[in-house]
Amino acid sequence: ETGVTQTPRHLVMGMTNKKSLKCEQHLGHNAMYWYKQSAKKPLELMFVYSLEERVENNSVPSRFSPECPNSSHLFLHLHTLQPEDSALYLCASSHGTSIYEQYFGPGTRLTVT
Amino acid sequence: AQKITQTQPGMFVQEKEAVTLDCTYDTSDPSYGLFWYKQPSSGEMIFLIYQGSYDQQNATEGRYSLNFQKARKSANLVISASQLGDSAMYFCAMREGLGGTSGSRLTFGEGTQLTVNP
Repeated sequence: ETGVTQTPRHLVMGMTNKKSLKCEQHLGHNAMYWYKQSAKKPLELMFVYSLEERVENNSVPSRFSPECPNSSHLFLHLHTLQPEDSALYLCASSHGTSIYEQYFGPGTRLTVT
Repeated sequence: AQKITQTQPGMFVQEKEAVTLDCTYDTSDPSYGLFWYKQPSSGEMIFLIYQGSYDQQNATEGRYSLNFQKARKSANLVISASQLGDSAMYFCAMREGLGGTSGSRLTFGEGTQLTVNP
């Protein structure tokens, strides 16, 4: 595996379900991110982890709970979601200032019914 | 005020022709970086090109070049010799300040849907 991978690619869940999104980066980066992409809206940054510590929480509802057990893995735990949470959830990683760009995974298309 | 503005929701171009996708930005930070990403219908965001605020020359990367006009705060993407595979959503993004070891916070525009016609 290379780059940034995300599983699952598609997820349909009811409002009372609990599910988790997984992201894994194979690039040796030390920062990881969760973004939300809704239709007709710019990408919204949700969380930033640097060296496994959360450094930014962008006013995200508590029904989204991130976890970064190590520098290669990032999870987004989902609980009691709303239909408006349906979106594409993108994970990204970067390496400080040495490499400026963020590398994105393919995303998880989430539908909340 | 929006930090990144992409005024073209959709653009069309004939195959093999050049196309310019507009991006203007707003920041008071003297140190910033500008990025362009491509998002095909499959969903992944693909990094295309980067321009630093202190870079003296416009960035180029293969068929992609960035027309950086600092005084006008614009960073337009130019795609030369368009190919059918260039059809995708294109996003302009900005990172303000120094990244340090805490990573880079990107602010994205709303995107431009490019369609390349045969």
